Amino acid sequence: AQRVTQPEKLLSVFKGAPVELKCNYSYSGSPELFWYVQYSRQRLQLLLRHISRESIKGFTADLNKGETSFHLKKPFAQEEDSAMYYCALTNFGNEKLTFGTGTRLTIIP
Amino acid sequence: EPEVTQTPSHQVTQMGQEVILRCVPISNHLYFYWYRQILGQKVEFLVSFYNNEISEKSEIFDDQFSVERPDGSNFTLKIRSTKLEDSAMYFCASSEGGTVNTEAFFGQGTRLTVV
Repeated sequence: AQRVTQPEKLLSVFKGAPVELKCNYSYSGSPELFWYVQYSRQRLQLLLRHISRESIKGFTADLNKGETSFHLKKPFAQEEDSAMYYCALTNFGNEKLTFGTGTRLTIIP
Repeated sequence: EPEVTQTPSHQVTQMGQEVILRCVPISNHLYFYWYRQILGQKVEFLVSFYNNEISEKSEIFDDQFSVERPDGSNFTLKIRSTKLEDSAMYFCASSEGGTVNTEAFFGQGTRLTVV
């Protein structure tokens, strides 16, 4: 069974400090991992995906198959990064996205 | 920028009543999805739909649920006889070429309250 764990429900970080949002997964095959973000009063939207290996809004995420992790990082937090962040997983041949419970990130000015 | 739109934004219904939640996916997208999020819990997959049929469904998507693409633009979720535990935010999503290869775009959600 697929499972995504985000251990932190809430995370507060000062502006300019580094951010790390943790995500661990369990899946026996080759997963594809994503980070989705939901800003206040906006819809859920894709932030980045492992398969494209890009940096979006200064965020990066590295898939560590040994630790089954896909942590989201940003070196210097900005106030506009305050949002709900969801880690999600799927795999080839499968349309279902499995989400974690989400982490609410608050950037303190 | 094209968006997935959902109506209504909030629906209140009595237990045992049928509800239909409506979605207009992005026009050139071929894959359609419904997810739900019970308050305080995670976003959960309900069903995916491709080529006019269900391609995958979760254990939540039992006989009380059905989906339809009645015309070229709408994608609906019907709950035949609502229960209190169906109260949740329901999200529609669509993608051009499937979840792995292309982005899934989400609607703003319909909040369903069963009383």
